[in-house]
Amino acid sequence: DAKTTQPPSMDCAEGRAANLPCNHSTISGNEYVYWYRQIHSQGPQYIIHGLKNNETNEMASLIITEDRKSSTLILPHATLRDTAVYYCIVRVAGFQKLVFGTGTRLLVSP
Amino acid sequence: KAGVTQTPRYLIKTRGQQVTLSCSPISGHRSVSWYQQTPGQGLQFLFEYFSETQRNKGNFPGRFSGRQFSNSRSEMNVSTLELGDSALYLCASSFSSGAPEAFFGQGTRLTVV
Repeated sequence: DAKTTQPPSMDCAEGRAANLPCNHSTISGNEYVYWYRQIHSQGPQYIIHGLKNNETNEMASLIITEDRKSSTLILPHATLRDTAVYYCIVRVAGFQKLVFGTGTRLLVSP
Repeated sequence: KAGVTQTPRYLIKTRGQQVTLSCSPISGHRSVSWYQQTPGQGLQFLFEYFSETQRNKGNFPGRFSGRQFSNSRSEMNVSTLELGDSALYLCASSFSSGAPEAFFGQGTRLTVV
């Protein structure tokens, strides 16, 4: 079973920041937080990951709380192409097994 | 550089038959994982292969099997197909089992009739 909890859906206006929350209260010390997204009819796409520090790349920022029990994925300027299902996953380092939950369906509107 | 290639893209099989799906990972990647995606169960991990060895296996019956070749290409086989095996089968390629990023292919959509 997935170890994460996410809201089933969220809306965001184009050009605004999209903040997607995730709860992972049972995360272990050797587990990383990963975010993937799946645009309709495509395979999932890696976005970002982190252990305990905040991370930023060209796609998004990841904010992890100090107790590591929750995190937020931030898309700073959402576009229509960011409409997708976003999955928050906790993964043990050294193993490729990804346990997907139900994700958050993000709808970006004009 | 070329992405992950899965063949065929679409497949229709009859109950009781068997099927083999193929995945060619990104050049240089040695880890290949397989996932099944259905509307009811979502994305579920099937197994991972690294250097021709299965490293991890999900909770699927023995009808689901896989292998990896010396060139890192992987195949998965489903025997005695059931209607419930209809799904999108996705392959993910990584440089190693510990690599942070997995690259997914477009998937093979299997329909069992």
